[in-house]
Amino acid sequence: GAVVSQHPSRVICKSGTSVKIECRSLDFQATTMFWYRQFPKKSLMLMATSNEGSKATYEQGVEKDKFLINHASLTLSTLTVTSAHPEDSSFYICSARPLVSEQYFGPGTRLTVT
Amino acid sequence: SQELEQSPQSLIVQEGKNLTINCTSSKTLYGLYWYKQKYGEGLIFLMMLQKGGEEKSHEKITAKLDEKKQQSSLHITASQPSHAGIYLCGALPGGAGGTSYGKLTFGQGTILTVHP
Repeated sequence: GAVVSQHPSRVICKSGTSVKIECRSLDFQATTMFWYRQFPKKSLMLMATSNEGSKATYEQGVEKDKFLINHASLTLSTLTVTSAHPEDSSFYICSARPLVSEQYFGPGTRLTVT
Repeated sequence: SQELEQSPQSLIVQEGKNLTINCTSSKTLYGLYWYKQKYGEGLIFLMMLQKGGEEKSHEKITAKLDEKKQQSSLHITASQPSHAGIYLCGALPGGAGGTSYGKLTFGQGTILTVHP
């Protein structure tokens, strides 16, 4: 099946610094990618829709200046957590759709802010 | 907004037993995805249902979508330890279109444990 990769898989950063997470579609082009956040033992919550060549669409309650999304190419979307704080520690997962009927997820990135 | 309720929240079975996980929507579904997740890892796509009454199978896993497109069930036959994990249903809300297509709302997940 289609493959979506994420990098890094784990990152630890200090409070106040920024962290960039990459999401790549490896064998297909994706004009739209999605970023989700998952808290421990909780389900996934959609954060934003990343649109190639245009601004991302953020879900209600998600700070766009806090979570910067850039979708510069058809195979790459990046999520930058700016001025990270411990409450931003979470599991971040991206997804992309190679076909209308399929949606594939990346392996996730675990962010720990100390 | 779309809400998905999964049941049970957790399930412990003996290897070889059959089991069913349910996913109920508060609104008509445009599409329903089933995923499996190991804790701390990404989601593995299992199958997607779109038509009322549709049923799909992959190996020992069968998923159905009811005629009213508001409830789906995932059935595992002769469970194995490799089936253990978190099962998540994700829904496409009815009427979703354009670049919003693909925004999934997830159920809270069902934790499956299979004892050898």
